Amino acid sequence: DAGVIQSPRHEVTEMGQEVTLRCKPISGHDYLFWYRQTMMRGLELLIYFNNNVPIDDSGMPEDRFSAKMPNASFSTLKIQPSEPRDSAVYFCASSIGALGTEAFFGQGTRLTVV
Amino acid sequence: AQTVTQSQPEMSVQEAETVTLSCTYDTSESDYYLFWYKQPPSRQMILVIRQEAYKQQNATENRFSVNFQKAAKSFSLKISDSQLGDAAMYFCAYRRVRGKIIFGKGTRLHILP
Repeated sequence: DAGVIQSPRHEVTEMGQEVTLRCKPISGHDYLFWYRQTMMRGLELLIYFNNNVPIDDSGMPEDRFSAKMPNASFSTLKIQPSEPRDSAVYFCASSIGALGTEAFFGQGTRLTVV
Repeated sequence: AQTVTQSQPEMSVQEAETVTLSCTYDTSESDYYLFWYKQPPSRQMILVIRQEAYKQQNATENRFSVNFQKAAKSFSLKISDSQLGDAAMYFCAYRRVRGKIIFGKGTRLHILP
């Protein structure tokens, strides 16, 4: 398996624009996590899904953030409108929940909002 | 709510020496999993070691070992014979069964040649 695949690797956008981050989890994994990493706040869990259903979105900072998982092989994290304080590295990770396995991470998307 | 605390933002160790990174966590669960991840400058998150809470034996992976103290809710990582390639951010993480995975804020480890 190719691992968790995120796109794009880098994104630079202007304030107010819509940004969509994409993730393809590892086949057979039933949990998908979206994290945001910043120097100040470390690795924050934004939202996670189990079998494509959002379980906990309490980490989503504002209504400007939304996430979907239309099927087991694809998820998106959307920011609309984007703001400079959204600049961060966004990670997607997947795992098998029943075995309590670790999360396998994608390479991350570095988002810069100017 | 579960929390993970890493009290050492940065640490340094001489090459070939041993270093221990600290981690404490808070949970009311009895069954859970603990992990240490390494994040080098490439920003890729790499699993270093994992520990099942129901196992009393401490996990080891080559030069990496943990000291798991369940009653004290402590989960430290020991790196023996430190190498330059060990320089990275290290994150401690907690996961209850079928639950979310939460991370500490990380410890940046410097290796001094």
